[in-house]
Amino acid sequence: SQKIEQNSEALNIQEGKTATLTCNYTNYSPAYLQWYRQDPGRGPVFLLLIRENEKEKRKERLKVTFDTTLKQSLFHITASQPADSATYLCALERRTGANNLFFGTGTRLTVIP
Amino acid sequence: DARVTQTPRHKVTEMGQEVTMRCQPILGHNTVFWYRQTMMQGLELLAYFRNRAPLDDSGMPKDRFSAEMPDATLATLKIQPSEPRDSAVYFCASGGTGRNNQPQHFGDGTRLSIL
Repeated sequence: SQKIEQNSEALNIQEGKTATLTCNYTNYSPAYLQWYRQDPGRGPVFLLLIRENEKEKRKERLKVTFDTTLKQSLFHITASQPADSATYLCALERRTGANNLFFGTGTRLTVIP
Repeated sequence: DARVTQTPRHKVTEMGQEVTMRCQPILGHNTVFWYRQTMMQGLELLAYFRNRAPLDDSGMPKDRFSAEMPDATLATLKIQPSEPRDSAVYFCASGGTGRNNQPQHFGDGTRLSIL
């Protein structure tokens, strides 16, 4: 079965620095990879999607990379702010024609003022 | 903004009782997903509907769980009888077309505690 690991349960960084979160997967290669943000007591919120043939995707202060050789995606938040504190989840999607996502357990990011 | 609505937000009940969770997907979305989230397992897919038809419920314990979509505006997840190990947060999500590379839109979940 697919195994998805996110680098650590928790990551603390200083405001203004770049946060880098890691998502590693095993077994089959996903066609797409999505990143979500989850705040306490709320459902996940979609942030970015990257396809297997894309190396990098950006949206404002967010950047996602996808390395199918390493089986890894990196999620960067530049110029981090305390409001970026949340749990970030990566999710893999196979090329099946369906929209089933397999989620990692998430990394809880805390940005310290 | 259109949102996925889940009710109830919290449910506490005793073991053996029936639990029904409801979800109103975003109008116009034709795919609905039920997930369960725990600290140990993270988010796990329980069931998946497209155009109200169940496509995949392999993640769901069939003996006690059932998922239905009586109409396009309502999805239900039932547990009967409930057990303490069912305690978790249950999320519903809806997606646009059900094809690949579509974001999923989540509700804020039902936090279920079985005593």
